[in-house]
Amino acid sequence: AQTVTQSQPEMSVQEAETVTLSCTYDTSENNYYLFWYKQPPSRQMILVIRQEAYKQQNATENRFSVNFQKAAKSFSLKISDSQLGDTAMYFCAFMKLPNQGGKLIFGQGTELSVKP
Amino acid sequence: DAGVTQSPTHLIKTRGQHVTLRCSPISGHKSVSWYQQVLGQGPQFIFQYYEKEERGRGNFPDRFSARQFPNYSSELNVNALLLGDSALYLCASSLDGSSYNEQFFGPGTRLTVL
Repeated sequence: AQTVTQSQPEMSVQEAETVTLSCTYDTSENNYYLFWYKQPPSRQMILVIRQEAYKQQNATENRFSVNFQKAAKSFSLKISDSQLGDTAMYFCAFMKLPNQGGKLIFGQGTELSVKP
Repeated sequence: DAGVTQSPTHLIKTRGQHVTLRCSPISGHKSVSWYQQVLGQGPQFIFQYYEKEERGRGNFPDRFSARQFPNYSSELNVNALLLGDSALYLCASSLDGSSYNEQFFGPGTRLTVL
């Protein structure tokens, strides 16, 4: 069975600074996707970034980037130039491939507060 | 375009009752997944439906059931409610439910069981 662990329940960062959220996972699968989702206080879960395990290059989306270490089973999210709107719960998630069932396995979440 | 919609927004029930939650996917999406998010935890997968057939089921008791209609909307039913069923229930839609298509989440239904 796959598990996803986020060891930082809460984090805070000053506006415009950089913050890194940690995620580790456990799987015996070789092919999978990893995701970071953002859940603002409004509750709507939004995809931030996705990484395919077979790709060595780390994914980036504007101010968001990941550090994917497959051997260490580590998948951290770096947010650069933090903005007040980045305040939210962040969830790391895993999906094995192939996957016709659409099952995402989520970590416990990290609550990020961006302070002015 | 409208996103994933869920109804109702909030719901209060008592133990032993039955509840039905509803989800309308994004237009053109044929797959719907349901997740339970207990306060302070990450979402847990309950079901996925594609073309009205169940494609995946999480580790939930038989009190939980779901179905998908010809217009691809979906219902999640929970019988004999327990206090532990209190949670945010999230619906997510995708084009065909495969790994390669992003899942888009709705705002959720907050269920409180007293």
